[in-house]
Amino acid sequence: DTGVSQNPRHKITKRGQNVTFRCDPISEHNRLYWYRQTLGQGPEFLTYFQNEAQLEKSRLLSDRFSAERPKGSFSTLEIQRTEQGDSAMYLCGASGGNTEQYFGPGTRLTVT
Amino acid sequence: RKEVEQDPGPFNVPEGATVAFNCTYSNSASQSFFWYRQDCRKEPKLLMSVYSSGNEDGRFTAQLNRASQYISLLIRDSKLSDSATYLCVVSPMGGATNKLIFGTGTLLAVQP
Repeated sequence: DTGVSQNPRHKITKRGQNVTFRCDPISEHNRLYWYRQTLGQGPEFLTYFQNEAQLEKSRLLSDRFSAERPKGSFSTLEIQRTEQGDSAMYLCGASGGNTEQYFGPGTRLTVT
Repeated sequence: RKEVEQDPGPFNVPEGATVAFNCTYSNSASQSFFWYRQDCRKEPKLLMSVYSSGNEDGRFTAQLNRASQYISLLIRDSKLSDSATYLCVVSPMGGATNKLIFGTGTLLAVQP
């Protein structure tokens, strides 16, 4: 058990709807990351938080995407006006300061 | 050119075989290196970190050649349970992000 949980595990939504995913790391994980993984590819970095501060955002994170970590504990990733190309596995990674990251089970998004 | 390149496979090997995966990375300033294992429709799990001196964990041996920007993973005495996708991962130097850059993964199928 990595101590990282994600909800929901699966989400099916219609194009144009908004969706929100949640990641809960353990308290020792001050660093939190979001990645996106599509079929046949490795995970791609989206954004990074150190405690509550969002310190880096990938160019992949279009203006339809927003992430928060309001109290430096759990984090949310929201996608507005979803598109079919947003269908992917959204992974949350966390670490306690060294570079070894541990991942939650992911949220699989399907946009119809 | 991708930052981390791997042969996607699949590698089909019989039980008991020795199999080697290779990976190259383009950023010579990269700082940390890992192999992650990913089972079908699951999250990536850290298999091992990779050090310049090489390191071994049971049947698994990882090597790093910074001059050639090359990382390898050797699996000896393959088991059916080793069947998975093996992701080569690099963490770039600079900043405090420690984000992970993944290769596309190499699929291993161990046959009985």
